[in-house]
Amino acid sequence: NAGVTQTPKFRILKIGQSMTLQCTQDMNHNYMYWYRQDPGMGLKLIYYSVGAGITDKGEVPNGYNVSRSTTEDFPLRLELAAPSQTSVYFCASSRGTANTGELFFGEGSRLTVL
Amino acid sequence: KNQVEQSPQSLIILEGKNCTLQCNYTVSPFSNLRWYKQDTGRGPVSLTIMTFSENTKSNGRYTATLDADTKQSSLHITASQLSDSASYICVVSYTASKLTFGTGTRLQVTL
Repeated sequence: NAGVTQTPKFRILKIGQSMTLQCTQDMNHNYMYWYRQDPGMGLKLIYYSVGAGITDKGEVPNGYNVSRSTTEDFPLRLELAAPSQTSVYFCASSRGTANTGELFFGEGSRLTVL
Repeated sequence: KNQVEQSPQSLIILEGKNCTLQCNYTVSPFSNLRWYKQDTGRGPVSLTIMTFSENTKSNGRYTATLDADTKQSSLHITASQLSDSASYICVVSYTASKLTFGTGTRLQVTL
């Protein structure tokens, strides 16, 4: 059972570069989320999606973009990378809302911006 | 402001011993409270989910308690094992897609 798969696991970017973090789930979940985890801080919601074609901002969306063209995929785009975006990024999915459904997380993508 | 505070920040115990981790929250309106286990370099994995009406919930050697009146929860680990070494994160839900995450308690189980 693959669950939630994220790629890449590690990436180093230079300031101003762009990249996409990939996330795919094989559980047919409607809800998908992107979180970032900074040292000593709780996970913060970047963007979420309640279904294909629908996305919405979370707590910390600035500097990021998302799309949801299929149920399975929810890529996170970083435009003009900044050192403040150095973090570990987690994609998650749930069958119901985050409020009612269990969240399944990917293994994380560690991004360093230099 | 919705906040989740966990204590202690870190804890070291001997294998076989019990321990209790604490979680205090100010999230409102409360929907449910979850405990996650996060191994180093891995994503969080759900241990328990408790709603307002549930006081205790167990998952093997893990037992979570919830006091919605005092807005406190605890996670008790019985007969700890080396594999219990991880961060334990308390998460409180308050709207349809919004969760507030604690910063976690880092537990190390040693021989």
